[in-house]
Amino acid sequence: EPEVTQTPSHQVTQMGQEVILRCVPISNHLYFYWYRQILGQKVEFLVSFYNNEISEKSEIFDDQFSVERPDGSNFTLKIRSTKLEDSAMYFCASRRAVNSPLHFGNGTRLTVT
Amino acid sequence: KQEVTQIPAALSVPEGENLVLNCSFTDSAIYNLQWFRQDPGKGLTSLLLIQSSQREQTSGRLNASLDKSSGRSTLYIAASQPGDSATYLCAVENLGSNYQLIWGAGTKLIIKP
Repeated sequence: EPEVTQTPSHQVTQMGQEVILRCVPISNHLYFYWYRQILGQKVEFLVSFYNNEISEKSEIFDDQFSVERPDGSNFTLKIRSTKLEDSAMYFCASRRAVNSPLHFGNGTRLTVT
Repeated sequence: KQEVTQIPAALSVPEGENLVLNCSFTDSAIYNLQWFRQDPGKGLTSLLLIQSSQREQTSGRLNASLDKSSGRSTLYIAASQPGDSATYLCAVENLGSNYQLIWGAGTKLIIKP
């Protein structure tokens, strides 16, 4: 069964550094998302992406965040200048259509020191 | 603002028992409700998606119900097995939210052999 893949599984970075989290959504899916989960807290929406543009973003998704679909398969989340509070598990998700189930990757655990 | 609550936060039952997990939401104007399973350090696996017009969905030993007017959903697990041990999350997709999910905090389920 096709699945969403995320790399790396774990990223450690120093405060102020840029990180890029990578995702390969399922190939025939059209809607892409990033969510994050700080340890012990609820999953939070960051951004949704459709038709090569952001369709919605949360208050968390400020100017230090950006997303890109550089080619037909990858979907990336960039954090320009990481802060300690960015430490979290970041999940990529995709789905074929609105109102169809979301498929999640296994996540990237980002640790900012 | 939509709030999603899951009770109990944790549940431990002997193997073989049937059990019910609860999810409530404050705004009944939802598009759908999804139940997910999260294993430690892993991604989120979609279990069931219930459209707002549906009352229940079944998959194997799992049955999810939706009562939109009262803002409640239940996930029924029949004949529980140790492999069912995980955190179960519910998430609602609001009408007009541009497809972002609002998440509960989850119920951590332990099935004792």
